[in-house]
Amino acid sequence: EVQLVESGGGVVQPGGSLRLSCAGSGFTFDGWALHWVRQLPGKGLEWVSFIAWDGSKTDYADSVKGRFTISRDNSKDSLHLQMDNLRPEDTAFYYCVKPYAAFVSFFDVWGQGIQVTVSS
Amino acid sequence: ESVLTQSPGTLSLSPGERATLSCRASQSVRYSYLAWYQQKPGQPPRLLIYGASSRATGIPDRFTGSGSGIDFTLTITRLEPEDFAVYYCQQYDTSPITFGRGTRLEIK
Repeated sequence: EVQLVESGGGVVQPGGSLRLSCAGSGFTFDGWALHWVRQLPGKGLEWVSFIAWDGSKTDYADSVKGRFTISRDNSKDSLHLQMDNLRPEDTAFYYCVKPYAAFVSFFDVWGQGIQVTVSS
Repeated sequence: ESVLTQSPGTLSLSPGERATLSCRASQSVRYSYLAWYQQKPGQPPRLLIYGASSRATGIPDRFTGSGSGIDFTLTITRLEPEDFAVYYCQQYDTSPITFGRGTRLEIK
């Protein structure tokens, strides 16, 4: 079974940092680009970041550019999101997601998600 | 950035009825690069439709996607109790990927 499992969420003060991780299993991890998508409280979905299968290319939403860094360790089948200088508006449920196919960015595999709360 | 506007915000229907959900893009979505997702409380979104009209694996044929350009529709014929949820559209034609704000389908 293809599975993504997030970890590392929690409560942090504004200006603080958190590092999210996502463990993949049931598929060839290093063959796939991966993304982070977040869901704001009571609101819709927002794409956050993308990383190519080999880490050679990354992209970010304007709202997180310069504060978040996506990375991956294919030797450990893991994806990471380093979140620095966090703001209250970053409070959301964060999902690790896998595209349906190569070179497309819609998602057929979602992790269960992890809560990040930025509050003093 | 392509803004997706979903309507209505909430749709109240009864089981057995037909649901029609709309997604309008602020700019043309090339190649019909539009997907639909269903989300139930406490669960991640589930892919229903991609390429505007292709059903994902395991999705019942009562779910139909249509449209092109800027106007897209998700139709659910003969609503089942498990279909009451929130539905999102997403465009993957241009960066950044964007989602609509969702339509809540509730039991009347």
